[in-house]
Amino acid sequence: QITLKESGPMLVKPTQTLTLTCTFSGFSLSTSGVGVGWIRQPPGKALEWLALIYWDDDKHYSPSLKSRLTITKDTSKNQVVLTMTNMDPVDTATYYCAHLGYCTNGVCYQFDPWGQGTLVTVSS
Amino acid sequence: QSALTQPPSASGSPGQSVTISCTGTSSDVGGYNYVSWYQQHPGKAPKLMIYEVSKRPSGVPDRFSGSKSGNTASLTVSGLQAEDEADYYCSSYAGGNIYVVFGGGTKLTVL
Repeated sequence: QITLKESGPMLVKPTQTLTLTCTFSGFSLSTSGVGVGWIRQPPGKALEWLALIYWDDDKHYSPSLKSRLTITKDTSKNQVVLTMTNMDPVDTATYYCAHLGYCTNGVCYQFDPWGQGTLVTVSS
Repeated sequence: QSALTQPPSASGSPGQSVTISCTGTSSDVGGYNYVSWYQQHPGKAPKLMIYEVSKRPSGVPDRFSGSKSGNTASLTVSGLQAEDEADYYCSSYAGGNIYVVFGGGTKLTVL
C-alpha cells in the first residue's frame, strides 16, 4: 500500500522560504519509472501542478513558478522536499504531494495516490 | 486562469448520466492521450478516477468513463449516485516545457 504525507510549517511570513517534506512508504524512488509530484490548491480554488521528480533525478517545474521552486529527493529517507522562495499571501494553499501511478511502459503523468495535504498560510 | 477549461458546474438526478467537458489545445489535450480525471470531496485529497483518457484505476466503478475528441476530453458519470457529488478536475500532459496542466474544476451536484 502506497501512502504519502506532507509536513512543514502551517504559517510563513511574506518573503520567507517555504520548505515542505513529503514522506512516503510503499514504493522506492530508486525504482525505474517512479516519480513524485507536488500540487497545490488555494482555498476554494483549482488544483495547480508545481513540480515533479523522477527516480533518475529528472526534474520538471511549473513554468510560472520555476524560478522559485526546487524539488529534491532523499531516497534513503523515502522523502521528497519542495522549497519555494519569496512566499506571498497568494501562495496560501493546501500543498499536496502525490505518487505517479498507473504508468504504462514507465510513462505516466497522472497522480495516484495523493497525500492528505498540508495547509500553508502566508501572513505577517 | 487554468490552462484547461471546464464548466464551473454540472448537475443531474440520481440514476441519470452527466458529462463534464475539459477543453484544451493541440499542445495538451489534443496532442497526447494523457488526460486524467480526479474526484475531490470537500476537505479531502483528490482521487484518480480516469487516466490515459479512458482507463479506470482498480476500484473505480465502471459508471465512470472517459473519452476525447480533438482538443476536448470528457468525463461521463452514468447512474448518478449521491456519493458522486464532488468537484472534478481534468489534467493533461502538455509537453516537455509546461509538462502538466489542470482544469479549473467542475462542481457536480446530484439533485
